[in-house]
This record gives sequence, structure tokens and C-alpha cells, in this order.
Amino acid sequence: EIVLTQSPGTLSLSPGERATLSCRASQSVSSSYLAWYQQKPGQAPRLLIYGASSRATGIPDRFSGSGSGTDFTLTISRLEPEDFAVYYCQQYGSSPRAFGQGTKVEIK
Amino acid sequence: QVQLVQSGAEVKKPGASVKVSCKASGYTFTGYYMHWVRQAPGQGLEWMGWINPNSGGTNYAQKFQGRVTMTRDTSISTAYMELSRLRSDDTAVYYCARNDITALGYYGMDVWGQGTTVTVSS
Repeated sequence: EIVLTQSPGTLSLSPGERATLSCRASQSVSSSYLAWYQQKPGQAPRLLIYGASSRATGIPDRFSGSGSGTDFTLTISRLEPEDFAVYYCQQYGSSPRAFGQGTKVEIK
Repeated sequence: QVQLVQSGAEVKKPGASVKVSCKASGYTFTGYYMHWVRQAPGQGLEWMGWINPNSGGTNYAQKFQGRVTMTRDTSISTAYMELSRLRSDDTAVYYCARNDITALGYYGMDVWGQGTTVTVSS
């Protein structure tokens, strides 16, 4: 069973700054089946990135994903006010399709 | 438009069962796995399992084996998740989410239901 560890737990940044979120897997993630989701309070998660680096439909290009194997990164190049939220990574190459514990991006 | 609409909030007593529905529209229901994910209050996301609406095949997280049953009714494009022997720590928001079958799920869970709050309390 693959365990995903996200860091940091909380990221305090100002609008316009760059955010770098990390997701580390306990074993190699098959075929880069790694996704990133954004969740705002009271809302369902929203798919941002699939296949480690492909943006989902309608996702702005300030969001980018990278990595392979066991180390993955979500980068938000310039934070907009609507980007302050919790971000989860998920591996879906094997079962169970575990999520990381989340990184909260908050306004500094 | 593509959407998943879930059934309303439920309040159950410990030991009871709950069945949550997820009605799909705007796409071919049998072309996408349906996953179930839950989120306890103030906690992260927890994957429960999926059903293949085309075949009825299922894959459950080991944690829920023996307590969860995922089914579907293709005639009304609806998936169901039933959780039995409820405990207080099953109190959570339960989400359904679709995931493409043809590309072996590569495109991630791209459409989510609005969530169903299940409260387990005596």
C-alpha cells in the first residue's frame, strides 16, 4: 500500500507569490498516476492535475505539476486570491488509491 | 452539462446502515468508473472504492471490506454506496466522483458530486 506524505502542512504566502507543494510516495507511483485536487471550505474537491503534469480542463496555466517515481510537486506560479485552499495529492496507479493528508495554502 | 447529483443528508444510529445515491447526467454512465470518497469533519479525503457501472465490478479499500457495498442501476444512471454497521467515526461527507474507463482511469476524478452528509449519533 502506497502512503503519500505532503509537505508542508501549511503554507503562508501573499497573493502574487509562488507556492511549491510537495508530495512524496512511500513507493514508486505507477506510470505517474498522480493527481492534485484543490478543495475550498464547503465544496467538493476539484481536479487540477492528472498524470503528474497534465492540467485538467479549464485549469489556469499558473498551476503546474511535475515529478515522477516517488517525488511530485505542485507549483502555483503567482497566487491569486481564489487559490487559497487545501490541496491534496492522490495516487491512482494501484489500490488503494490513497490521498495525501493535504497542504493548506493560507493568506499571510 | 455533466453532473453528479447526490441524495440528501442522513442521520443514523450506531449499528444501522446508510445508502447514498449518485445520479449521473450529461455523459455515458457506463463509460466511467464511479468512486466514493469520504471526509470526516475537519479531516482529509479518504478513498473508499469504485464500481465499474458497465460490468458491476467493484474494488473496495481494505478498511471498508465487509461493510461497504457499491451498486448501480444503469437504467437510471445512478450509483449507490451502502455502508453498514455504522459507527460514530463514520460521520462524514460522502462524495461520488467519476473516472474514465477507456484510458484506465488516467484522467483522474474530473467530476464530483456535491457531497452527502452522514451523521451517526445515538
